Amino acid sequence: AQSVTQLGSHVSVSEGALVLLRCNYSSSVPPYLFWYVQYPNQGLQLLLKYTTGATLVKGINGFEAEFKKSETSFHLTKPSAHMSDAAEYFCAVCEGSSGYSTLTFGKGTMLLVSP
Amino acid sequence: KAGVTQTPRYLIKTRGQQVTLSCSPISGHRSVSWYQQTPGQGLQFLFEYFSETQRNKGNFPGRFSGRQFSNSRSEMNVSTLELGDSALYLCASSGGLTTGELFFGEGSRLTVL
Repeated sequence: AQSVTQLGSHVSVSEGALVLLRCNYSSSVPPYLFWYVQYPNQGLQLLLKYTTGATLVKGINGFEAEFKKSETSFHLTKPSAHMSDAAEYFCAVCEGSSGYSTLTFGKGTMLLVSP
Repeated sequence: KAGVTQTPRYLIKTRGQQVTLSCSPISGHRSVSWYQQTPGQGLQFLFEYFSETQRNKGNFPGRFSGRQFSNSRSEMNVSTLELGDSALYLCASSGGLTTGELFFGEGSRLTVL
Protein backbone atom coordinates (compact mmCIF):
# COMPACT_ATOMS: atom_id res chain seq x y z
CA ALA A 1 0.00 0.00 0.00
CA GLN A 2 1.16 3.49 -0.72
CA SER A 3 1.75 6.06 2.02
CA VAL A 4 3.06 9.59 2.42
CA THR A 5 4.97 11.09 5.33
CA GLN A 6 5.40 14.81 5.71
CA LEU A 7 8.04 15.78 8.26
CA GLY A 8 6.90 18.62 10.45
CA SER A 9 3.27 19.62 10.94
CA HIS A 10 4.38 23.26 11.13
CA VAL A 11 7.29 25.05 9.47
CA SER A 12 8.12 28.68 10.23
CA VAL A 13 10.25 30.88 8.01
CA SER A 14 10.95 34.57 7.66
CA GLU A 15 9.90 36.44 4.56
CA GLY A 16 12.64 36.09 1.96
CA ALA A 17 14.04 32.88 3.46
CA LEU A 18 14.24 29.49 1.80
CA VAL A 19 11.19 27.29 2.10
CA LEU A 20 11.76 23.53 2.43
CA LEU A 21 8.84 21.19 3.05
CA ARG A 22 9.73 17.52 3.29
CA CYS A 23 7.82 14.60 1.84
CA ASN A 24 8.69 10.92 1.74
CA TYR A 25 6.55 8.27 0.14
CA SER A 26 6.27 4.56 -0.11
CA SER A 27 4.89 2.87 -3.15
CA SER A 28 5.19 -0.55 -4.67
CA VAL A 29 5.18 0.83 -8.19
CA PRO A 30 6.57 3.98 -9.80
CA PRO A 31 4.39 6.70 -8.35
CA TYR A 32 2.90 9.90 -9.52
CA LEU A 33 3.62 12.62 -6.95
CA PHE A 34 1.86 15.87 -6.23
CA TRP A 35 1.99 18.91 -4.01
CA TYR A 36 -1.23 20.73 -3.24
CA VAL A 37 -1.76 23.96 -1.29
CA GLN A 38 -4.80 24.84 0.79
CA TYR A 39 -5.60 28.35 1.90
CA PRO A 40 -8.03 28.91 4.79
CA ASN A 41 -11.61 27.97 3.99
CA GLN A 42 -10.72 26.87 0.50
CA GLY A 43 -10.21 23.64 -1.39
CA LEU A 44 -6.88 22.29 -2.57
CA GLN A 45 -4.97 23.79 -5.45
CA LEU A 46 -2.37 21.88 -7.41
CA LEU A 47 1.13 23.36 -7.08
CA LEU A 48 3.05 20.86 -9.15
CA LYS A 49 3.20 17.22 -10.15
CA TYR A 50 5.70 14.56 -11.14
CA THR A 51 4.61 11.78 -13.45
CA THR A 52 7.54 10.77 -15.63
CA GLY A 53 10.57 12.41 -17.20
CA ALA A 54 12.51 15.24 -15.61
CA THR A 55 12.90 14.74 -11.89
CA LEU A 56 13.03 18.46 -11.09
CA VAL A 57 9.53 19.81 -11.44
CA LYS A 58 8.59 23.46 -11.47
CA GLY A 59 5.19 24.62 -10.35
CA ILE A 60 3.22 27.74 -9.75
CA ASN A 61 4.19 30.64 -7.49
CA GLY A 62 7.91 29.86 -7.74
CA PHE A 63 7.75 26.44 -6.09
CA GLU A 64 9.65 23.42 -7.30
CA ALA A 65 10.19 19.84 -6.17
CA GLU A 66 12.69 17.12 -6.97
CA PHE A 67 11.80 13.45 -7.26
CA LYS A 68 14.56 11.32 -5.75
CA LYS A 69 13.78 7.67 -6.25
CA SER A 70 16.74 6.44 -4.19
CA GLU A 71 15.56 8.47 -1.22
CA THR A 72 11.82 8.00 -1.93
CA SER A 73 11.49 11.74 -1.44
CA PHE A 74 9.70 14.60 -3.14
CA HIS A 75 10.62 17.70 -1.13
CA LEU A 76 9.06 21.06 -1.98
CA THR A 77 11.23 24.18 -2.10
CA LYS A 78 10.99 27.87 -2.84
CA PRO A 79 14.07 30.13 -2.80
CA SER A 80 12.37 33.11 -1.17
CA ALA A 81 9.24 32.97 0.95
CA HIS A 82 6.49 35.53 0.57
CA MET A 83 3.81 36.36 3.09
CA SER A 84 1.20 35.07 0.65
CA ASP A 85 2.79 31.59 0.82
CA ALA A 86 1.37 31.07 4.31
CA ALA A 87 -0.96 28.10 3.90
CA GLU A 88 -1.14 24.35 4.43
CA TYR A 89 0.73 22.15 2.00
CA PHE A 90 -0.08 18.55 1.19
CA CYS A 91 2.07 15.98 -0.54
CA ALA A 92 0.18 13.20 -2.31
CA VAL A 93 0.92 10.02 -4.20
CA CYS A 94 -1.04 8.20 -6.83
CA GLU A 95 -0.16 4.79 -8.11
CA GLY A 96 -0.78 5.50 -11.75
CA SER A 97 -0.92 1.83 -12.58
CA SER A 98 -4.18 1.66 -10.67
CA GLY A 99 -5.82 3.57 -13.44
CA TYR A 100 -7.88 5.57 -11.01
CA SER A 101 -7.69 9.15 -9.83
CA THR A 102 -7.17 8.21 -6.18
CA LEU A 103 -4.65 10.13 -4.14
CA THR A 104 -3.12 9.24 -0.81
CA PHE A 105 -2.27 12.42 1.07
CA GLY A 106 0.22 13.21 3.76
CA LYS A 107 -0.97 14.84 6.99
CA GLY A 108 -0.03 18.28 5.73
CA THR A 109 2.49 20.94 6.75
CA MET A 110 1.37 24.38 7.81
CA LEU A 111 3.77 27.01 6.51
CA LEU A 112 4.00 30.14 8.66
CA VAL A 113 5.75 33.18 7.20
CA SER A 114 6.81 36.02 9.45
CA PRO A 115 7.77 39.55 8.36
CA LYS B 1 -14.23 27.70 -17.37
CA ALA B 2 -16.17 27.21 -14.14
CA GLY B 3 -14.49 25.23 -11.40
CA VAL B 4 -15.83 22.50 -9.19
CA THR B 5 -18.93 23.64 -7.33
CA GLN B 6 -20.02 22.15 -4.05
CA THR B 7 -23.26 22.82 -2.22
CA PRO B 8 -24.03 23.57 0.47
CA ARG B 9 -20.87 25.21 1.74
CA TYR B 10 -21.86 24.96 5.39
CA LEU B 11 -24.42 22.90 7.21
CA ILE B 12 -25.26 21.84 10.74
CA LYS B 13 -26.99 18.57 11.55
CA THR B 14 -27.73 16.61 14.69
CA ARG B 15 -26.76 13.05 15.49
CA GLY B 16 -28.89 10.46 13.77
CA GLN B 17 -29.88 12.69 10.87
CA GLN B 18 -28.75 12.18 7.32
CA VAL B 19 -27.15 14.61 4.90
CA THR B 20 -26.72 14.88 1.16
CA LEU B 21 -23.91 16.89 -0.40
CA SER B 22 -23.74 17.88 -4.04
CA CYS B 23 -20.85 18.37 -6.43
CA SER B 24 -20.79 19.73 -9.97
CA PRO B 25 -17.51 18.92 -11.72
CA ILE B 26 -15.65 20.98 -14.26
CA SER B 27 -17.39 20.80 -17.62
CA GLY B 28 -16.15 17.77 -19.56
CA HIS B 29 -14.73 15.98 -16.52
CA ARG B 30 -16.19 12.52 -16.06
CA SER B 31 -14.46 11.52 -12.84
CA VAL B 32 -15.58 12.76 -9.44
CA SER B 33 -13.85 11.86 -6.20
CA TRP B 34 -14.83 12.63 -2.62
CA TYR B 35 -12.48 13.17 0.32
CA GLN B 36 -13.10 13.76 4.00
CA GLN B 37 -10.80 16.21 5.78
CA THR B 38 -10.54 16.32 9.56
CA PRO B 39 -7.85 17.77 11.85
CA GLY B 40 -7.08 14.35 13.29
CA GLN B 41 -7.15 12.08 10.26
CA GLY B 42 -6.26 14.54 7.53
CA LEU B 43 -7.49 13.91 4.02
CA GLN B 44 -9.06 10.52 3.50
CA PHE B 45 -10.41 9.12 0.26
CA LEU B 46 -14.10 8.21 0.29
CA PHE B 47 -14.93 7.09 -3.24
CA GLU B 48 -14.52 7.85 -6.91
CA TYR B 49 -17.08 7.75 -9.69
CA PHE B 50 -16.51 7.65 -13.42
CA SER B 51 -19.33 7.64 -15.92
CA GLU B 52 -21.90 6.85 -13.23
CA THR B 53 -19.94 3.85 -11.92
CA GLN B 54 -18.09 3.65 -8.64
CA ARG B 55 -14.53 2.79 -9.58
CA ASN B 56 -12.89 2.86 -6.22
CA LYS B 57 -13.89 3.09 -2.57
CA GLY B 58 -12.05 4.03 0.57
CA ASN B 59 -12.27 2.48 4.00
CA PHE B 60 -15.45 4.07 5.31
CA PRO B 61 -18.57 2.45 6.76
CA GLY B 62 -21.62 1.79 4.65
CA ARG B 63 -23.30 4.90 6.08
CA PHE B 64 -21.29 6.80 3.49
CA SER B 65 -22.58 6.41 -0.02
CA GLY B 66 -22.50 8.26 -3.28
CA ARG B 67 -23.72 8.32 -6.80
CA GLN B 68 -23.05 10.05 -10.08
CA PHE B 69 -25.57 11.20 -12.62
CA SER B 70 -25.40 11.12 -16.39
CA ASN B 71 -24.30 14.78 -16.45
CA SER B 72 -21.35 13.83 -14.19
CA ARG B 73 -22.76 15.68 -11.19
CA SER B 74 -22.31 13.70 -8.02
CA GLU B 75 -23.89 13.45 -4.63
CA MET B 76 -22.70 11.85 -1.45
CA ASN B 77 -24.93 10.85 1.41
CA VAL B 78 -24.16 10.15 5.02
CA SER B 79 -26.87 8.44 7.02
CA THR B 80 -27.26 8.17 10.78
CA LEU B 81 -24.80 10.97 11.43
CA GLU B 82 -22.28 10.66 14.24
CA LEU B 83 -20.30 13.41 15.96
CA GLY B 84 -17.16 12.08 14.29
CA ASP B 85 -18.61 12.80 10.86
CA SER B 86 -18.01 16.51 11.41
CA ALA B 87 -15.54 17.39 8.70
CA LEU B 88 -14.85 19.27 5.52
CA TYR B 89 -16.02 17.14 2.60
CA LEU B 90 -14.11 17.88 -0.56
CA CYS B 91 -15.13 16.95 -4.05
CA ALA B 92 -12.62 16.78 -6.88
CA SER B 93 -13.00 16.22 -10.57
CA SER B 94 -10.64 15.06 -13.26
CA GLY B 95 -10.68 14.01 -16.85
CA GLY B 96 -10.51 10.40 -15.74
CA LEU B 97 -7.00 9.68 -16.95
CA THR B 98 -4.43 8.01 -14.75
CA THR B 99 -2.40 11.12 -13.98
CA GLY B 100 -4.11 11.74 -10.67
CA GLU B 101 -4.41 15.48 -11.24
CA LEU B 102 -7.50 16.51 -9.34
CA PHE B 103 -9.32 19.80 -9.31
CA PHE B 104 -10.95 20.47 -5.96
CA GLY B 105 -14.02 22.39 -4.94
CA GLU B 106 -14.07 24.57 -1.84
CA GLY B 107 -15.78 21.88 0.18
CA SER B 108 -18.87 21.42 2.29
CA ARG B 109 -18.25 21.91 5.99
CA LEU B 110 -20.49 19.62 8.01
CA THR B 111 -20.95 20.08 11.73
CA VAL B 112 -22.76 17.36 13.64
CA LEU B 113 -24.15 18.34 17.05
